[in-house]
Amino acid sequence: EDKVVQSPLSLVVHEGDTVTLNCSYEVTNFRSLLWYKQEKKAPTFLFMLTSSGIEKKSGRLSSILDKKELFSILNITATQTGDSAIYLCAVGVRETSGSRLTFGEGTQLTVNP
Amino acid sequence: DTGVSQNPRHKITKRGQNVTFRCDPISEHNRLYWYRQTLGQGPEFLTYFQNEAQLEKSRLLSDRFSAERPKGSFSTLEIQRTEQGDSAMYLCASSVQGTETQYFGPGTRLLVL
Repeated sequence: EDKVVQSPLSLVVHEGDTVTLNCSYEVTNFRSLLWYKQEKKAPTFLFMLTSSGIEKKSGRLSSILDKKELFSILNITATQTGDSAIYLCAVGVRETSGSRLTFGEGTQLTVNP
Repeated sequence: DTGVSQNPRHKITKRGQNVTFRCDPISEHNRLYWYRQTLGQGPEFLTYFQNEAQLEKSRLLSDRFSAERPKGSFSTLEIQRTEQGDSAMYLCASSVQGTETQYFGPGTRLLVL
């Protein structure tokens, strides 16, 4: 059975701190790894990673994938209160007729002023 | 059309009643996915369409659940004889064939009393 595990499940930091969120996976037919940010409603897309060792960056957020060790990290530098959210890791799995996402439980990040 | 839309946003029903949710994907996206999310968990895959064809269904999708996408545009998810365990957020996502990134709608939150 495909499995995606995120850690920590919950994290509380102060504004300005740097955080690292972890995602490990065990899936068959890996295609991609995606990070989403979920506030009170829909998950919003952050990054998609398909190749090992290539860092993706967007502002204060960055992410990298290690396909040999089967994990990814999401870094957030100089955190702000607006970064408070659930961060979801999902793995795209190739199926016979397409692909679907298998999600982890998420990391609840709280950034205090 | 700037994103995936879902209706209704909230639904409260009594156990045993039928409910139907609607999802309108991003207009040029030919793939449409349904997920279910319960508190503290990541979204779980339910089913997926490519155009009007339903190509995959999860084991989570019992006989009481049915989904359609008759013209390859909007989709409906119907739950018959609702049970309290069906209470969850039902998320719809869409993507373009050949890409992995799925874009999510705001979800329909279902409460079965």
